[in-house]
Amino acid sequence: GAVVSQHPSRVICKSGTSVKIECRSLDFQATTMFWYRQFPKQSLMLMATSNEGSKATYEQGVEKDKFLINHASLTLSTLTVTSAHPEDSSFYICSARSRQGANTEAFFGQGTRLTVV
Amino acid sequence: GENVEQHPSTLSVQEGDSAVIKCTYSDSASNYFPWYKQELGKGPQLIIDIRSNVGEKKDQRIAVTLNKTAKHFSLHITETQPEDSAVYFCAASPNYGGSQGNLIFGKGTKLSVKP
Repeated sequence: GAVVSQHPSRVICKSGTSVKIECRSLDFQATTMFWYRQFPKQSLMLMATSNEGSKATYEQGVEKDKFLINHASLTLSTLTVTSAHPEDSSFYICSARSRQGANTEAFFGQGTRLTVV
Repeated sequence: GENVEQHPSTLSVQEGDSAVIKCTYSDSASNYFPWYKQELGKGPQLIIDIRSNVGEKKDQRIAVTLNKTAKHFSLHITETQPEDSAVYFCAASPNYGGSQGNLIFGKGTKLSVKP
């Protein structure tokens, strides 16, 4: 199946700093990428939908100025957690759907474990 | 909007037995229903999916059934093995193939297969 690569897999940062997470579709063009947040033993909560070349659509309650999303190409979307605080510590996961065709399944990256100290 | 309920939250079976996980959805416009397996510390992996024009789909030991009238779908795993132990998520998508197509997830089922 299609491959979505997410980097880094783990990051520890100091409170107040910013962290960038990359999500790449390796073998297909992704018109749309999604960013999820997952707390321990909980389900995936959609944070935002990212469309190539346009502004991301954020879910209710998600601060767009804190979670900056850029989808500059059909194979790369980035999520930047700005001025991170301990409560931002979580597992962040991206997914991508292919540009066209019937097989527009959503494929997920490996996830990024963010720890803010 | 769409709401997906998943049961049970935990499921323990003996190796070789079958496991069934059930989900219900609320939005009749949803037309794509994938199932994901998530191992600890990893992203979800698509294991099987079904579209609203199909009632059942099977892939080796895994099968999914869909009842559009009742708005529920189920995952069936036969001949379970210890490596099937993981958290399983169902999801529904009201805009499959469209420009958005976000997935709404159930809360997950932690499956434990005992040797």
